[in-house]
Amino acid sequence: ELKVEQNPLFLSMQEGKNYTIYCNYSTTSDRLYWYRQDPGKSLESLFVLLSNGAVKQEGRLMASLDTKARLSTLHITAAVHDLSATYFCAVALNSNSGYALNFGKGTSLLVTP
Amino acid sequence: NAGVTQTPKFRVLKTGQSMTLLCAQDMNHEYMYWYRQDPGMGLRLIHYSVGEGTTAKGEVPDGYNVSRLKKQNFLLGLESAAPSQTSVYFCASSYPPGLPLDTQYFGPGTRLTVL
Repeated sequence: ELKVEQNPLFLSMQEGKNYTIYCNYSTTSDRLYWYRQDPGKSLESLFVLLSNGAVKQEGRLMASLDTKARLSTLHITAAVHDLSATYFCAVALNSNSGYALNFGKGTSLLVTP
Repeated sequence: NAGVTQTPKFRVLKTGQSMTLLCAQDMNHEYMYWYRQDPGMGLRLIHYSVGEGTTAKGEVPDGYNVSRLKKQNFLLGLESAAPSQTSVYFCASSYPPGLPLDTQYFGPGTRLTVL
């Protein structure tokens, strides 16, 4: 059974600060996704990481993947209020499960002045 | 393009009632999924489909049935609703892995309450 663990689950940070969210998973997979969810809204795709060492950046967010360590990170640089949301990492199951996603519990991020 | 749409957006049922949630996508995606989201639980897979006419069980399939008679539609049915099925239901669709735009696209969700 594939387990996906995120930490921290809750994060309150000041504007302008940096922080990293961690996503560990239990079995081999080379497809990892990061999503953002605003309260009461759907999930928005942020990053797709498909190989060991993959790094992607969009604005103040940067995601990386280490398949050997089964670890992905989402780094936030100089946080702003607009980044307040819940962030999910998800790991794709294999073809036997239709490449369905196994989600972490999410990291609820609050950026304060 | 509308992307992934879900009907209805909200619904309140009494225990034992039945209903069908409709998911439609206009991106010609082969794969479609139903997830449920509960507080503190992340999203969990209910059923999925890898093509028209095919469906399979996910992590939490009990109490639900699905059908994929048309490629663009994926229906989720609750035959006899229970309070434990109170949740937000998300539909998602995607191309097979390896193609460009390799991600799942999510619908807006259906908020279901079972009394």
